[in-house]
Amino acid sequence: RKEVEQDPGPFNVPEGATVAFNCTYSNSASQSFFWYRQDCRKEPKLLMSVYSSGNEDGRFTAQLNRASQYISLLIRDSKLSDSATYLCVPFSDNYGQNFVFGPGTRLSVLP
Amino acid sequence: NAGVTQTPKFQVLKTGQSMTLQCAQDMNHEYMSWYRQDPGMGLRLIHYSVGAGITDQGEVPNGYNVSRSTTEDFPLRLLSAAPSQTSVYFCATQQGTTIYFGEGSWLTVV
Repeated sequence: RKEVEQDPGPFNVPEGATVAFNCTYSNSASQSFFWYRQDCRKEPKLLMSVYSSGNEDGRFTAQLNRASQYISLLIRDSKLSDSATYLCVPFSDNYGQNFVFGPGTRLSVLP
Repeated sequence: NAGVTQTPKFQVLKTGQSMTLQCAQDMNHEYMSWYRQDPGMGLRLIHYSVGAGITDQGEVPNGYNVSRSTTEDFPLRLLSAAPSQTSVYFCATQQGTTIYFGEGSWLTVV
């Protein structure tokens, strides 16, 4: 089983739609979780951290289920500018490789 | 306000050639790393360094060398380029749970 699994998509949604991405991770020792956004031919950039109680940042809501080793990202009222690839990233306090990057889910928001 | 600077941004190599991807940071971070990103796969760690004079292998180190003589610089050397090394390479620094990426280097090996 891969360490981090995501549905690759693409998710093609109209502007204004609500879309949800799922992510599962295999390392139960993961301590922190992040969603990164990556635009085409650009470096990944931090979108939001995922807190154990779930958290919201504007139109974005992240949820964590440690028991199921599952993370989700919900985007409400999608904008054209949300079109990107979304990477799920668990973090563990290991010496060496702390971050494990998922393969990403591609989102296209259509006019 | 440079952060992490990678050069070159684009490079085409012939099989068997060697080259060095440069990475420099101005944030005084101890931890630096190199990742490669291929279609359908997450970023994979090639090599990392926890400080000047210390380097270690990541998940996919074969065919690459690194050195860390200063805190600022962490070059990645391809010893004898192969088509399988065609990829996008990202250098990064890390402080705590925050990772800072360079803009990437697109490498094609023909």
